[in-house]
Amino acid sequence: AQTVTQSQPEMSVQEAETVTLSCTYDTSENNYYLFWYKQPPSRQMILVIRQEAYKQQNATENRFSVNFQKAAKSFSLKISDSQLGDTAMYFCAFRNSGNTPLVFGKGTRLSVIA
Amino acid sequence: DVKVTQSSRYLVKRTGEKVFLECVQDMDHENMFWYRQDPGLGLRLIYFSYDVKMKEKGDIPEGYSVSREKKERFSLILESASTNQTSMYLCASRPRGHYGYTFGSGTRLTVV
Repeated sequence: AQTVTQSQPEMSVQEAETVTLSCTYDTSENNYYLFWYKQPPSRQMILVIRQEAYKQQNATENRFSVNFQKAAKSFSLKISDSQLGDTAMYFCAFRNSGNTPLVFGKGTRLSVIA
Repeated sequence: DVKVTQSSRYLVKRTGEKVFLECVQDMDHENMFWYRQDPGLGLRLIYFSYDVKMKEKGDIPEGYSVSREKKERFSLILESASTNQTSMYLCASRPRGHYGYTFGSGTRLTVV
């Protein structure tokens, strides 16, 4: 079975600083997709960034970027220039290719401090 | 914008009641999902559906059932609610062949 591990239950960062959230996963497949979702206090799950396993280039969305290490099965999220609005739960998620459901990690609660 | 609507934001039910959680999406998505979210456990898949009248068990289906009579609606049913089913329930949908999920805003269910 596929598993996703987020080893940091809670993290904090000063406003304008950079923070990295860790995620590892386990799969025997070669084609799959990886995601980071953000869940603010409003509870709405928001897709932050996604990465296709066949792409070697790390995905970037504005202040959010990933470090995808396929051999190590690692998929970390870097948030640059942290803002107060980044305070949220962050979930790493994984899905095999084909019509399969997302598997989520347990989440990391990020607090951005002014 | 795609919308996934969950009928209740907060719900309080008594032990033993039959509970229906409704989820409706407006973009003709084939795939729909029910997750349960608990602190420290993340999101765990209860049931999912690839199409009308189809359903598949997820990781924690015990105590739950689902119904998908129409493409846009996916209902989660707690046959006899118990206190250990107090949780946040999230519905999501995705079109076939696409990797993007759209989530509802969740139903926080309390069973007393």
